Amino acid sequence: KNEVEQSPQNLTAQEGEFITINCSYSVGISALHWLQQHPGGGIVSLFMLSSGKKKHGRLIATINIQEKHSSLHITASHPRDSAVYICAASRDTGRRALTFGSGTRLQVQP
Amino acid sequence: EPEVTQTPSHQVTQMGQEVILRCVPISNHLYFYWYRQILGQKVEFLVSFYNNEISEKSEIFDDQFSVERPDGSNFTLKIRSTKLEDSAMYFCASSERTNQETQYFGPGTRLLVL
Repeated sequence: KNEVEQSPQNLTAQEGEFITINCSYSVGISALHWLQQHPGGGIVSLFMLSSGKKKHGRLIATINIQEKHSSLHITASHPRDSAVYICAASRDTGRRALTFGSGTRLQVQP
Repeated sequence: EPEVTQTPSHQVTQMGQEVILRCVPISNHLYFYWYRQILGQKVEFLVSFYNNEISEKSEIFDDQFSVERPDGSNFTLKIRSTKLEDSAMYFCASSERTNQETQYFGPGTRLLVL
């Protein structure tokens, strides 16, 4: 079983829709990261959170430590949000390496 | 805004050749990482580096791989004798301090081994 699982694998939405991407993890973590990978391959860090909720513009990330679950929400989605969204975990063992999920490919259609 | 840079952006090499991938981390960062992503697969950790030595490495990071910080700015990944399966996108990342810090990724080097 993968230590970090994401769903859905692929998501197509219409511009303006509210989008939710889910991430579940089976290991102890010190932090959960949400990353965006552009079509050209570059990776940008969106959020790092260890509890509660964070918001940046139209993006919101939440985490439930007890349920080992995190969500990334995009409000008022736009075609420029089309990318692969990746959840990754920093383990609580002191390891700095990130353990990555497989990513969710989001396509927002105009 | 400071950013991690990587060179080259693309590299094509013959199987068995040595390649060196270069990274310039953000200047005040102390932790450096290499990750790789084989086409269509998820990103995988290779190695982390702190205080001029490897702090952890994955099972992928075998004797064919080495890392070095040859001067105050560059951080390199060397693959001694490339295999076809080394073809991937290689990402360098850096973070300021502990494992609770955001990691900043470079744009990647796409390596193709023929």
